[in-house]
Amino acid sequence: AQSVTQLGSHVSVSEGALVLLRCNYSSSVPPYLFWYVQYPNQGLQLLLKYTTGATLVKGINGFEAEFKKSETSFHLTKPSAHMSDAAEYFCAVRGGGAAGNKLTFGGGTRVLVKP
Amino acid sequence: DTGVSQDPRHKITKRGQNVTFRCDPISEHNRLYWYRQTLGQGPEFLTYFQNEAQLEKSRLLSDRFSAERPKGSFSTLEIQRTEQGDSAMYLCASSPGQGDYGYTFGSGTRLTVV
Repeated sequence: AQSVTQLGSHVSVSEGALVLLRCNYSSSVPPYLFWYVQYPNQGLQLLLKYTTGATLVKGINGFEAEFKKSETSFHLTKPSAHMSDAAEYFCAVRGGGAAGNKLTFGGGTRVLVKP
Repeated sequence: DTGVSQDPRHKITKRGQNVTFRCDPISEHNRLYWYRQTLGQGPEFLTYFQNEAQLEKSRLLSDRFSAERPKGSFSTLEIQRTEQGDSAMYLCASSPGQGDYGYTFGSGTRLTVV
């Protein structure tokens, strides 16, 4: 079984400020972890993923995330927010290797960027 | 390759009617997934196919829901006797198969049951 908890359904940041979105997961097998972004009335776009290897992963649009096994976390950060980052962000987990089938998503965090 | 296509983008239907949605995955992807997303929530898994075989169904998929992927290419999701609680965004995604792949999502079909 696997699950994802995203802390904070809404986050408000000023343009140019740090963006930090929190994600904690539960998985009975080594996980694959993903962050997706969703703009209004659109599907989900992959931002970045962790599978194996380096625990700090870089994605598109200046985002990065760090896998911390001891904390079962995969928080998403961006050093400087841009107005175009206003969207909803979803963390997702999937069992790795042969156990990997469906993605399980968190409830999402909506980001508001203030000018 | 134009990504994952879903049709229609929007559907308004009266309670009790049947509706069918279509998903065309990326052509070389053998796995196809259906998710449902209600307002303010993350996507919830409904079912997935590997080629034409339906390998897993969520208990969210009641008897009124049926999905097919007859030739291992496009898929359809049918909801019979729609209820207001079926109002949601229905998302389709595809992936090349097992491994460290993320999914590629379509833009979704928004269903409103009135």
